[in-house]
Amino acid sequence: GQQLNQSPQSMFIQEGEDVSMNCTSSSIFNTWLWYKQDPGEGPVLLIALYKAGELTSNGRLTAQFGITRKDSFLNISASIPSDVGIYFCAGQRRPYNTDKLIFGTGTRLQVFP
Amino acid sequence: DGGITQSPKYLFRKEGQNVTLSCEQNLNHDAMYWYRQDPGQGLRLIYYSQIVNDFQKGDIAEGYSVSREKKESFPLTVTSAQKNPTAFYLCASSSPKSGNKIDRPGNTIYFGEGSWLTVV
Repeated sequence: GQQLNQSPQSMFIQEGEDVSMNCTSSSIFNTWLWYKQDPGEGPVLLIALYKAGELTSNGRLTAQFGITRKDSFLNISASIPSDVGIYFCAGQRRPYNTDKLIFGTGTRLQVFP
Repeated sequence: DGGITQSPKYLFRKEGQNVTLSCEQNLNHDAMYWYRQDPGQGLRLIYYSQIVNDFQKGDIAEGYSVSREKKESFPLTVTSAQKNPTAFYLCASSSPKSGNKIDRPGNTIYFGEGSWLTVV
């Protein structure tokens, strides 16, 4: 099955640094979602995007729905140790509740104090 | 509290046995999903159901079966035909985002806490 291309695969940063990760597809998507997964837990929804060009923030997190509808970006500002985890993007090609989500391969984030 | 409940959290299966993972949601969501996650990997869709009494195969349905007799419940059976069942299994549910006539509704999916299945 198709998976989205997510990069980078892993990041090792120092506390306080900003983080950027992205997700790309060869197909147009109408919904982009960003999740964070802690070890042994289910993914938790961080941000949902529904319009091309949309920029949405959730605390220190900001995500954008790419204008081409083929990509999305997630930025984390001033990282802290609890940001550690795996971040997944997910996209849906059709806007209604009739199409399954396709997930990215994940970005593993490690934050050092 | 509203949410998605998976049980058991940890399950051990002997070779040749079928096991069933439970997933219950009280969010009144129409759609439910089962994903499999292998260590260090992303999520792969096993089965999904958009409505009661209907379900579709995902990308890796072989060796699995599901039922959707009630809106709240979507159990997954891992059969003996699944040759490599050791993995982390995630149940999820979703409902269309409500929107006005201009905005298109989107789909937001929420996950349970997962179940670890190990073959012994």
